[in-house]
Amino acid sequence: QLQLQESGPGLVKPLETLSLTCTVSGGSISTTSYYWGWIRQPPGKGLEWIGHVYYSGSTYYNPSLKSRATISIDTSRNQFSLKLRSVTAAETAAYFCARLSPIKGDVFDIWGQGTMVTVSS
Amino acid sequence: SSELTQDPAVSVALGQTVRITCQGDNLRDYYASWYQQKPGQAPVLVIYAKNNRPSGIPDRFSGSTSGNPAFLTITGAQAEDEADYYCNSRDISGNPLFGGGTKLTVL
Repeated sequence: QLQLQESGPGLVKPLETLSLTCTVSGGSISTTSYYWGWIRQPPGKGLEWIGHVYYSGSTYYNPSLKSRATISIDTSRNQFSLKLRSVTAAETAAYFCARLSPIKGDVFDIWGQGTMVTVSS
Repeated sequence: SSELTQDPAVSVALGQTVRITCQGDNLRDYYASWYQQKPGQAPVLVIYAKNNRPSGIPDRFSGSTSGNPAFLTITGAQAEDEADYYCNSRDISGNPLFGGGTKLTVL
């Protein structure tokens, strides 16, 4: 059974870079059938798509992040990662990694449990 | 505009039927999918591509087949269905887009 697990620092200072990794187990990330994405959720608020990556390294980002996000994939480690530069307190949120399934209509069909990141000095 | 609008809160009596609504211009072109999220947990996909349920999702959950608005219907709501529900589709550029969420209370 495919599982995703986020990891990374729970506290980041304002204007620094948030870095998270998602480790995929129970299946290969090097598949042509899926993409791998990041979604965040501020406390008490809704979900926001950050971006996603294909096994080949092709990436897609939410334009609202103004090019501050970089998503990369490491097929040798079965991991993909998110870097978000120059973060602010408003970006305190639970960050989820998830599998994106085009065949199901571009839905996020498997999610990690999420990791809370606080942006504070 | 690229937005998906949901009612913030809906309530339903135990065992009754409830419909959760998602409005957005792009729903004329793209399917809506639906996620259930319980406190402190990750979202779970409950409906995708018109009216398909992933394995393990009870058949009391169903989705509208097309159009704007999109609906998630729970027929015979159970106490365990109390949760936040988010619709998901695509924006004008084809990127993933989420609605603001609906808090469902089962009375």
